[in-house]
Amino acid sequence: ILNVEQSPQSLHVQEGDSTNFTCSFPSSNFYALHWYRWETAKSPEALFVMTLNGDEKKKGRISATLNTKEGYSYLYIKGSQPEDSATYLCAFMVETNAGKSTFGDGTTLTVKP
Amino acid sequence: DTAVSQTPKYLVTQMGNDKSIKCEQNLGHDTMYWYKQDSKKFLKIMFSYNNKELIINETVPNRFSPKSPDKAHLNLHINSLELGDSAVYFCASSQFQNYEQYFGPGTRLTVT
Repeated sequence: ILNVEQSPQSLHVQEGDSTNFTCSFPSSNFYALHWYRWETAKSPEALFVMTLNGDEKKKGRISATLNTKEGYSYLYIKGSQPEDSATYLCAFMVETNAGKSTFGDGTTLTVKP
Repeated sequence: DTAVSQTPKYLVTQMGNDKSIKCEQNLGHDTMYWYKQDSKKFLKIMFSYNNKELIINETVPNRFSPKSPDKAHLNLHINSLELGDSAVYFCASSQFQNYEQYFGPGTRLTVT
């Protein structure tokens, strides 16, 4: 059983604040890490696919970093807006079981106007 | 055009019945998945199909069976429904096994 942990479980910030949260995963047999954004009553949407140690990806005000040697990825949101309110999921894939994504339980972000 | 579609969106049925949920993707992807969103809102993988071959079969009850008539479809059949099967089921697809997944809108199954 692969252990993928996300922290914190939930986060409340004010509009304009910058924030970040963590995805921790096993550091052995790393294959890929995905970040998804999941708004209430909608489906998860892919944000980033990260495959290389040291990867940094950016999409607008959202960015992510990857450290495969120590087994963590950070997601950053700069200048949070109410529309950023969602649950952010990470999904980890191992080389020996390609195709299987183990999802973390998510970090639920609420941005207050 | 909807990339990944599921039907029905809502399904209410009684214990003991057999039901199916359909999933179709028009993205030309090779791999399709079924997930269950459990009571704590967590997403758990159930099945994955790659080119019509089952490549993942998580420890789900054998009352659940995926059926893939072609690369664009992965249907979920559930026999002898139980109260605990009530959940939202999501279908997803990806171009290759390590690529990001595109999710359908979900099917809310309620077993009474």
